Amino acid sequence: NAGVTQTPKFQVLKTGQSMTLQCAQDMNHEYMSWYRQDPGMGLRLIHYSVGAGITDQGEVPNGYNVSRSTTEDFPLRLLSAAPSQTSVYFCASSQLTGYTEAFFGQGTRLTVV
Amino acid sequence: AQSVTQLGSHVSVSEGALVLLRCNYSSSVPPYLFWYVQYPNQGLQLLLKYTTGATLVKGINGFEAEFKKSETSFHLTKPSAHMSDAAEYFCAVSAANAGGTSYGKLTFGQGTILTVHP
Repeated sequence: NAGVTQTPKFQVLKTGQSMTLQCAQDMNHEYMSWYRQDPGMGLRLIHYSVGAGITDQGEVPNGYNVSRSTTEDFPLRLLSAAPSQTSVYFCASSQLTGYTEAFFGQGTRLTVV
Repeated sequence: AQSVTQLGSHVSVSEGALVLLRCNYSSSVPPYLFWYVQYPNQGLQLLLKYTTGATLVKGINGFEAEFKKSETSFHLTKPSAHMSDAAEYFCAVSAANAGGTSYGKLTFGQGTILTVHP
């Protein structure tokens, strides 16, 4: 079982560059989400999706775009990277029904210089 | 709206000592509560969760937590710390939806780094 797979694990970007963080899950989960983790701030929700074609904003959506064309994939796009987006990014997935918990990927450590 | 406060960003204990990590939450609807652990350079792993029923919840690696509605708390404990428990711990809350279930839209506390001394 692969679970939730994120790529790449590490990335360095220059200010103004764009990139896509990939996230894929093989558990047929309807719900997927992206968090960013910053020291002393826990994890903050960026965007989430409750199914293919349905996305919504979380707590800190500015500077990020998402789309959900399939159940399995939920990429996160940085449109024009800024140093404030230096962070560790986690993708998570879960079922929509039942007393479920979120399953997390291993994270992508992004540095914007 | 929901929020989570973890009291103490760093907790240090000796090996064999009691571990107590504090978590208080705020939720306008019945909460579902979770503790996750993060080892260095790893993702988050679920330790335990409270949904309904018994308020004392047992998790992996000897951890347990008690849901106290009157105190809006969900503190994590372990009777005897082990060196391998050194990690960062996150408390999280998820609200039940109209159907009485929940999904993974979590609000996290700021995390508590646990250090275990020999």
